Order: sequence, then C-alpha cells, then structure tokens
Amino acid sequence: QQQVKQSPQSLIVQKGGIPIINCAYENTAFDYFPWYQQFPGKGPALLIAIRPDVSEKKEGRFTISFNKSAKQFSLHIMDSQPGDSATYFCAARKSNFGNEKLTFGTGTRLTIIP
Amino acid sequence: EPEVTQTPSHQVTQMGQEVILRCVPISNHLYFYWYRQILGQKVEFLVSFYNNEISEKSEIFDDQFSVERPDGSNFTLKIRSTKLEDSAMYFCASLESNSDEQFFGPGTRLTVL
Repeated sequence: QQQVKQSPQSLIVQKGGIPIINCAYENTAFDYFPWYQQFPGKGPALLIAIRPDVSEKKEGRFTISFNKSAKQFSLHIMDSQPGDSATYFCAARKSNFGNEKLTFGTGTRLTIIP
Repeated sequence: EPEVTQTPSHQVTQMGQEVILRCVPISNHLYFYWYRQILGQKVEFLVSFYNNEISEKSEIFDDQFSVERPDGSNFTLKIRSTKLEDSAMYFCASLESNSDEQFFGPGTRLTVL
C-alpha cells in the first residue's frame, strides 16, 4: 500500500512535443505529491509538487494533473526541449510531524530528440 | 543558493569493511534523511532523523546501518560491515521546518567489491 507505480519506464519525444508521465498510488493518507528531476550523476531535484485539494498545478512548462478519485497524477511537459532529457520520479508523502519520508515511483527516463 | 553537500563522491571498499558517508545539510534545516538508489532503480528511503534521534527507518536499515549527527553541521551514515548488495548511490536530504521541499545532495556512489 506504500507503493507508487509509475509509467512509462522510458519515453522518447520529439522536441516541441508533450511527454506525459503517469503515476498511481494506493495509500489515501498521502497528501503531497512532488515530481523530481534527476540528471546523470546528480541528486533528485524538486520540479513541481501538488496537494490533493487542487486538480492541476502549472509552473512554467510543467503541469501536474491530479485525479483524487482515481488516485492518479501525471506530469506534462509543454514545448519539450532536449535539455529536459533526464529521469523523472514521482513521489508521495504523508504529513507526519518529524517524519516526511518520500515514497518514490520507479522513474521514467525521458529523451527529447531535436 | 544553499545546498546539501556529500563526501566522498565515490567510495570503493572491500566487502566486510566499514564505511562512513558524510553529509552537510542546509544549515537551518531540522529534518535529515538518507535514501539510496541501486543503479537503474528507484530511490528508496533508508532513515529519517530529527532532534538527534531516528524518526523512522525502513526494512533496509538493519543493524549494520547507523546514523549520527556528531556536531552542528555533519550528518553521517555508517555501514559497519559492507555487503555486495550495499553498492548503490546514497543520497542525503534535508528539510526545513514548515516546508515541503526536501533538498537532496549530489550523492555518494558506494561500490563494494
């Protein structure tokens, strides 16, 4: 019940296209859903995050769509660029004072081709 | 911009040896974490630490693992007797009070031979 399932495992999109990465969770106690971007040899970096009280959040070219009833959320990257090529992880977390551990999805390796 | 730092960037050790991975969290952060990522797999939670004690640990974090905040700035992960399956990237993260964003360090690649 602690798992976060992520798909696809890898994705190749032409520059300017809109890659979409999907995640699903089981634990309804999760109340914070971030997306992390990871470049080779680097640590994960927070890209954008959403709480379940909204259905969509947009920051620049990145949008999270959230479906609370389906327990699913997705990341959309508008006007994708080769520099967006990275591994993307969704994650989820319960709010719990003194323990804010993240449960990560399995990751999506995104390649944007020029 | 403040950042989490980790040393060393790469550690090679023999099976059965002890290793200490070091992290310097962001200075005003209060919550500290270790995660690991086996090559090509997802990032997995190991342990969280707050107020000088472990808040939660995962099944991975067995008696061979320990964490310590020996002074006001460092946060260490010790593996007492390394196994081949401990080979992974180890990430330290820290979190400010009343914030959602965990900041991750660049990681230490541990290779156990």
